[in-house]
Amino acid sequence: QKEVEQNSGPLSVPEGAIASLNCTYSDRGSQSFFWYRQYSGKSPELIMFIYSNGDKEDGRFTAQLNKASQYVSLLIRDSQPSDSATYLCAAPGGTYKYIFGTGTRLKVLA
Amino acid sequence: DTGVSQNPRHKITKRGQNVTFRCDPISEHNRLYWYRQTLGQGPEFLTYFQNEAQLEKSRLLSDRFSAERPKGSFSTLEIQRTEQGDSAMYLCASSGGTSYEQYFGPGTRLTVT
Repeated sequence: QKEVEQNSGPLSVPEGAIASLNCTYSDRGSQSFFWYRQYSGKSPELIMFIYSNGDKEDGRFTAQLNKASQYVSLLIRDSQPSDSATYLCAAPGGTYKYIFGTGTRLKVLA
Repeated sequence: DTGVSQNPRHKITKRGQNVTFRCDPISEHNRLYWYRQTLGQGPEFLTYFQNEAQLEKSRLLSDRFSAERPKGSFSTLEIQRTEQGDSAMYLCASSGGTSYEQYFGPGTRLTVT
């Protein structure tokens, strides 16, 4: 059974700080990963996709992948109250199929 | 590109009734996914289609659930003899070509009373 694990939080950070969200996965052969943001009552919104070891940056977001340690993380720089949401990590569960973690709730305090 | 659409957005039904939800994927996407999400959990995979072929169905899915995608465009998810435990958000997502990126629709929130 392939698994994706996230700390449910909430993770509270002050406005302007760096928020660090982590995810571990069980399948050592996994190649690509997604981060989604989900506001309360809304559907998940794709924010990052990473498939190579190392860092991938997009604006205030940086995804980090470490295949040897089987974890992927998401850093949000200069956190804003509007970043308050649940962040979902997704890892491969088969060909074109993904398994989601339970999500980490982020609260950015003004 | 109007995104993934789902109808209805909300459905309240009595236990034992049948319900059907519809999903229209992004027009050029050939893969379509159904997920179920309950409070505090991530989306749980139910099934997915590549064109009109249903390639995988979750073992957790009871035989009361059925999905179709008859012409490889829109899809329907039917739940027969609904139970209170079926109350959840039902999400549809689509992806296309060699891309792994999935884009979600707004979801259908089902409440079984």
